[in-house]
Amino acid sequence: AQSVSQHNHHVILSEAASLELGCNYSYGGTVNLFWYVQYPGQHLQLLLKYFSGDPLVKGIKGFEAEFIKSKFSFNLRKPSVQWSDTAEYFCAVNGFSSSNTGKLIFGQGTTLQVKP
Amino acid sequence: KAGVTQTPRYLIKTRGQQVTLSCSPISGHRSVSWYQQTPGQGLQFLFEYFSETQRNKGNFPGRFSGRQFSNSRSEMNVSTLELGDSALYLCASSLGTSGTQETQYFGPGTRLLVL
Repeated sequence: AQSVSQHNHHVILSEAASLELGCNYSYGGTVNLFWYVQYPGQHLQLLLKYFSGDPLVKGIKGFEAEFIKSKFSFNLRKPSVQWSDTAEYFCAVNGFSSSNTGKLIFGQGTTLQVKP
Repeated sequence: KAGVTQTPRYLIKTRGQQVTLSCSPISGHRSVSWYQQTPGQGLQFLFEYFSETQRNKGNFPGRFSGRQFSNSRSEMNVSTLELGDSALYLCASSLGTSGTQETQYFGPGTRLLVL
């Protein structure tokens, strides 16, 4: 069965600090990986995704993530956070299988609070 | 291009009632997935529809059902509501024809409160 673990449930940073949010997944085969963000009062938005190729992927608003297959990880990073990055961040996985069609498995989410 | 829309946005029901939620996908998207979001359980997959057929289903009781119409719009129904069904119900759409490399785009959700 697929599962996703996000290690940090609540992160508090000051503006300009660097961010790294951990995400590990459990699945024996090939995966698609996603980070979504939910700003206060808004719907889930795609930050970035990995399907194949370069394991370092860049997304919107200066975010990037690195897929490390040997560690089953897909950590999200941003070199310098802004107050507007305050939001909840979700890592999600879709395993390559006909039984996983249309099915994303989400981590529990990480609430990021950026202090001005 | 318009995003995923969901109606209604808010709903209050009492235990034992049933409810129907609606989702209109992005134009051209044929796959619709439904999720339940609660503080305790997080985001959980309910089911996915493509070309009016349920292709995948999560681990929810039979009280949760859905359907999809020929224009790809989808509805989900919850019968005999329980207090624990209070949640944000999210709908996501994707092309549905890209094999395994699909990106889901989410709607704003319907917040259901069961009293």
